[in-house]
Amino acid sequence: DTAVSQTPKYLVTQMGNDKSIKCEQNLGHDTMYWYKQDSKKFLKIMFSYNNKELIINETVPNRFSPKSPDKAHLNLHINSLELGDSAVYFCASSQEYREQFFGPGTRLTVL
Amino acid sequence: RKEVEQDPGPFNVPEGATVAFNCTYSNSASQSFFWYRQDCRKEPKLLMSVYSSGNEDGRFTAQLNRASQYISLLIRDSKLSDSATYLCVVPAPSFGNEKLTFGTGTRLTIIP
Repeated sequence: DTAVSQTPKYLVTQMGNDKSIKCEQNLGHDTMYWYKQDSKKFLKIMFSYNNKELIINETVPNRFSPKSPDKAHLNLHINSLELGDSAVYFCASSQEYREQFFGPGTRLTVL
Repeated sequence: RKEVEQDPGPFNVPEGATVAFNCTYSNSASQSFFWYRQDCRKEPKLLMSVYSSGNEDGRFTAQLNRASQYISLLIRDSKLSDSATYLCVVPAPSFGNEKLTFGTGTRLTIIP
């Protein structure tokens, strides 16, 4: 059974387009996250939601908008994609202050 | 000082050897720490948590030195399957374990 799933796994798109990445977790966790891992493999938190409420919002351009329709889902919408947005985006979830479980990642390439 | 700093490696180690990595952190208020493992083109997975002076799990030992603000990971009797990138992770104290700062990772290759 998949614990944290993301779709799509790969996303190739042109500069200026708008795209969304979806994340779902079946672990019953209250908190979900989006991370970005750049070409140098540096993993950095972007957003965190607890029970659909935004609790962490790092200095991310406002072209990135997370949406949590319920506590099992956290989607990421990106407007006006730029070359620098190319990266692997990981969704994760956790319960209270315990281990974070990561999804398999979405590899975004902006041409 | 960076929030979390690791030697990027690569460490190329023969099978069966012992290898150790260090990680330094800047926030002296940090209470708990993690080592995550990330295989090539895969997601990070928790390897060990460190809440007090250290933790041991089979061939893996994590130690914490609060005075010097570093955490170490020791792998004994290394296996080919230990080849991966090891990420040192420090939670921001004001956010519990919800805001994690990741080091850049130490890449380990075990050589047959």
